[in-house]
Amino acid sequence: EAQVTQNPRYLITVTGKKLTVTCSQNMNHEYMSWYRQDPGLGLRQIYYSMNVEVTDKGDVPEGYKVSRKEKRNFPLILESPSPNQTSLYFCASRPTGVAGYTFGSGTRLTVV
Amino acid sequence: GEDVEQSLFLSVREGDSSVINCTYTDSSSTYLYWYKQEPGAGLQLLTYIFSNMDMKQDQRLTVLLNKKDKHLSLRIADTQTGDSAIYFCAETQKDRDDKIIFGKGTRLHILP
Repeated sequence: EAQVTQNPRYLITVTGKKLTVTCSQNMNHEYMSWYRQDPGLGLRQIYYSMNVEVTDKGDVPEGYKVSRKEKRNFPLILESPSPNQTSLYFCASRPTGVAGYTFGSGTRLTVV
Repeated sequence: GEDVEQSLFLSVREGDSSVINCTYTDSSSTYLYWYKQEPGAGLQLLTYIFSNMDMKQDQRLTVLLNKKDKHLSLRIADTQTGDSAIYFCAETQKDRDDKIIFGKGTRLHILP
């Protein structure tokens, strides 16, 4: 089944403890992107990648890192999480061209 | 500037048509999308329309685009309880197809 898989689905962590949210897609898509969804703010792009080893900042990149060493994987790294990074995170991918993004099921992160 | 606006809530009786409206500000928009988010799930692409089209129909869904007024609508015919979700309008812009701008979403509530 064609899909974007994120792990974990839920995560509670403490301030300052490094964490990684994994994202993998099996559709050979070139583009991958991370979004965060917050009440009243909608979806905001954190980082995106147009292909292997090509990444760029979105609208809210502060406090996040990404890497794209392989086409299928696009992990989101929080080196020192803070409570304002408590949010619902979505990974998404799409092929080059006009198609919209395929989204993962989301990761709900709580930083205490 | 980039902005996509939607009303936050819509209530519709089961069996009636739902019309969800969206306005956008960037005249260079190339593609406009409608996504559906069910509780606890990621965003699912429902349909999209190219900016040189006026209308697109797909089963119960009809998308209307008024480019002059920068107005996009999604009509759901014969609304069912399974249509209860948050609907996001989104756009991509000329030369920036890595970036999708989302509205804040319209929560569709179905009345029995």
